Amino acid sequence: EAAVTQSPRSKVAVTGGKVTLSCHQTNNHDYMYWYRQDTGHGLRLIHYSYVADSTEKGDIPDGYKASRPSQENFSLILELASLSQTAVYFCASSDRDNSAETLYFGSGTRLTVL
Amino acid sequence: QQQVRQSPQSLTVWEGETAILNCSYEDSTFDYFPWYWQFPRESPALLIAIRPVSNKKEDGRFTIFFNKREKKLSLHITDSQPGDSATYFCAARGTGGYKVVFGSGTRLLVSP
Repeated sequence: EAAVTQSPRSKVAVTGGKVTLSCHQTNNHDYMYWYRQDTGHGLRLIHYSYVADSTEKGDIPDGYKASRPSQENFSLILELASLSQTAVYFCASSDRDNSAETLYFGSGTRLTVL
Repeated sequence: QQQVRQSPQSLTVWEGETAILNCSYEDSTFDYFPWYWQFPRESPALLIAIRPVSNKKEDGRFTIFFNKREKKLSLHITDSQPGDSATYFCAARGTGGYKVVFGSGTRLLVSP
């Protein structure tokens, strides 16, 4: 079964601080994604990647950077965390062979910015 | 702006009734429409999906109806059960075949 592991599970950060959310997948999938979930907004795509060392901007990339140093790892970086970035963040992976027809999600990271 | 729109935001039905969840989209290049469900304190998971070459996809009590001309689709859940209570997300695959965007979700509550 697909395995996507996110760390940390939860984090409290201070406004203006740097936050790094990590994601590791053992599925040998090419595609990886970062979404944020807020009540009323559903899942919004922040960044995604189809291959190591390359990332694409999603629909809400402002305030976020992404890094894909290897096929297995995909990080989301908040250089200057803000109150508005309080949310649950989900990482997902998908297989190129089935053209991203199924996304496998991690357990999520609950980020609170104070 | 949300490329995929869902309505209603929340829906309550009685056990045994049919729940109808609606979805619409703007981008005519979307070529695959999955629905995901998410139970409280869990991650989203794929429920059912449809390609635009079809206008209907059925899987047990779950059926997607698709209207390509109007860019609308709906998820029908027949004989709704309390265990179906979850948030349902309509999604769409677009650009390059791997960008997947989601709607804002419909929270379904099935009352016994």
